Amino acid sequence: DAGVTQSPTHLIKTRGQHVTLRCSPISGHKSVSWYQQVLGQGPQFIFQYYEKEERGRGNFPDRFSARQFPNYSSELNVNALLLGDSALYLCASSFGQGFHEQYFGPGTRLTVT
Amino acid sequence: QQQVKQSPQSLIVQKGGISIINCAYENTAFDYFPWYQQFPGKGPALLIAIRPDVSEKKEGRFTISFNKSAKQFSLHIMDSQPGDSATYFCAASIGRLTGGGNKLTFGTGTQLKVEL
Repeated sequence: DAGVTQSPTHLIKTRGQHVTLRCSPISGHKSVSWYQQVLGQGPQFIFQYYEKEERGRGNFPDRFSARQFPNYSSELNVNALLLGDSALYLCASSFGQGFHEQYFGPGTRLTVT
Repeated sequence: QQQVKQSPQSLIVQKGGISIINCAYENTAFDYFPWYQQFPGKGPALLIAIRPDVSEKKEGRFTISFNKSAKQFSLHIMDSQPGDSATYFCAASIGRLTGGGNKLTFGTGTQLKVEL
């Protein structure tokens, strides 16, 4: 069975630009969460979506937004990119809201220059 | 506010030895404690997890010990192998019954190197 898939693998953007990252959860999983991992640190929670609704939000500015589609895939959008947004963006899927086991994708490495 | 503290930051163990990584948490509402293994350039992989109603859980060479009163939990890797060399993260989340969702709060990570 396919695990969590994310695209693109790598991305280079310029300050002020906008970026969209995509995630497909494990088949049968209905919840998707997004995390930001800065080099040398643990992942930080950004959003959780379940049944197309936002169910949790971390301490990130409004430049960050996300949505979930009817097929449970998700996309993360970041506007007005800053150098500090350079990080590995991870998507995690779980069966449903409140089910703890989360399985991470390989991530998208975003570099902002 | 860092809610999960992890130590040590790095660890070198000889092949066949025991690797021990410790975590402490502050929020007593946490009731799910997973450990993740991450190789360079990859996403974290779920290794093993425990709930606070048990004091120990073992899966193969990996064991979690949990001390609810001390608000601490640890990962033991028995018979450590060079292939175990990776970064390990502890994490915690709040239970489904409270509707707390899936937010995982991670520790800062431990870089483990297993030498021959």
